[in-house]
Amino acid sequence: DAGVTQSPTHLIKTRGQQVTLRCSPKSGHDTVSWYQQALGQGPQFIFQYYEEEERQRGNFPDRFSGHQFPNYSSELNVNALLLGDSALYLCASSSSWTGNTGELFFGEGSRLTVL
Amino acid sequence: RKEVEQDPGPFNVPEGATVAFNCTYSNSASQSFFWYRQDCRKEPKLLMSVYSSGNEDGRFTAQLNRASQYISLLIRDSKLSDSATYLCVVNGRSSNYQLIWGAGTKLIIKP
Repeated sequence: DAGVTQSPTHLIKTRGQQVTLRCSPKSGHDTVSWYQQALGQGPQFIFQYYEEEERQRGNFPDRFSGHQFPNYSSELNVNALLLGDSALYLCASSSSWTGNTGELFFGEGSRLTVL
Repeated sequence: RKEVEQDPGPFNVPEGATVAFNCTYSNSASQSFFWYRQDCRKEPKLLMSVYSSGNEDGRFTAQLNRASQYISLLIRDSKLSDSATYLCVVNGRSSNYQLIWGAGTKLIIKP
């Protein structure tokens, strides 16, 4: 049973560029949440996708956008990259059956460095 | 004030000792509480949910104090493998879907 998979694992971009990160949720899960984790900080909620729609969004600018596909996989896009966007981006999958009381399963993350 | 606050540590503890972490939260309407563990440069993994009556899982005990709005995690007979960052998680103010994470408390168990 495949867990949550994310790609790429590491990437380096320069300021102003755009990046797309990908996530495949755990088998049987239909909900994907994205988090940004800066060094020494806890994960910060970016947004959550369910039924191919953004269901909830955290305090992130419109430069951060996402998409969920019919197979439940998801993408996170960040435009006009800033140095401060350097972080570990975590994808978490869950089941809508358990709502907000269920366990989140995380991928290993995509580590983005912006130069 | 942050929505979820934790002592960042690090807590340096000898193997076999008991260690306790506290976490305070600001949203009195929060209903869901968790402790996650994160190893260095790895993803967070659920350690345990926290229930109103308190709950225990082996060497780990979690307590919730709604009146004072804090949750705690107690680790007994600590092992070297317990070294990690422990993250307190609470469901958010604006929505039941959004989980708010503390910055984590780093625990170092020394032989």
